[in-house]
Amino acid sequence: ETGVTQSPTHLIKTRGQQVTLRCSSQSGHNTVSWYQQALGQGPQFIFQYYREEENGRGNFPPRFSGLQFPNYSSELNVNALELDDSALYLCASSFGGLSGNTIYFGEGSWLTVV
Amino acid sequence: DQQVKQNSPSLSVQEGRISILNCDYTNSMFDYFLWYKKYPAEGPTFLISISSIKDKNEDGRFTVFLNKSAKHLSLHIVPSQPGDSAVYFCAAFNNAGNMLTFGGGTRLMVKP
Repeated sequence: ETGVTQSPTHLIKTRGQQVTLRCSSQSGHNTVSWYQQALGQGPQFIFQYYREEENGRGNFPPRFSGLQFPNYSSELNVNALELDDSALYLCASSFGGLSGNTIYFGEGSWLTVV
Repeated sequence: DQQVKQNSPSLSVQEGRISILNCDYTNSMFDYFLWYKKYPAEGPTFLISISSIKDKNEDGRFTVFLNKSAKHLSLHIVPSQPGDSAVYFCAAFNNAGNMLTFGGGTRLMVKP
């Protein structure tokens, strides 16, 4: 139990649609990162939010966007869904700078694009 | 370009024996390394980490070794238990950045 909760756990969308995934970070954590894990691969960094500001972005197109709210919860939005967006989306919360034992992952949201 | 590689997609070990999982990296700016364990339908769980100023870190049955000159790290599990069966990810953190770079994972199967 990491205290990081994600919703929904599973969803199916049609190509071209938009999706919003949500994450509640562990209490006291002000930093949220999002990762995409395709089948058979390791997680890939999408972006990070720190105190409601984007604080770094991986190699993902602008149709991947996010928000962090004053309570430090976060949303990941993906527009114009493509089949290759089918993956497990992981949210990770931490406090301030990253160090291994303070990064907590949620159980993920499985997105299938058909 | 994969900056963190786990070249063995799977490993099978007998219960009670040692499991050795390997990881190689290419980016010399990485200065903090972590191992995560992942069960199906769960998020990755932090296992153990090591800073680049050390060459070994131990926590119970788990030991991580870092060879900076070879850009190689390994995770040793002794003794292996059936409950250790999971996918193990190696990850690296560049202290100049704010992201973890993960390897592709190694599936460990510990047979009773």
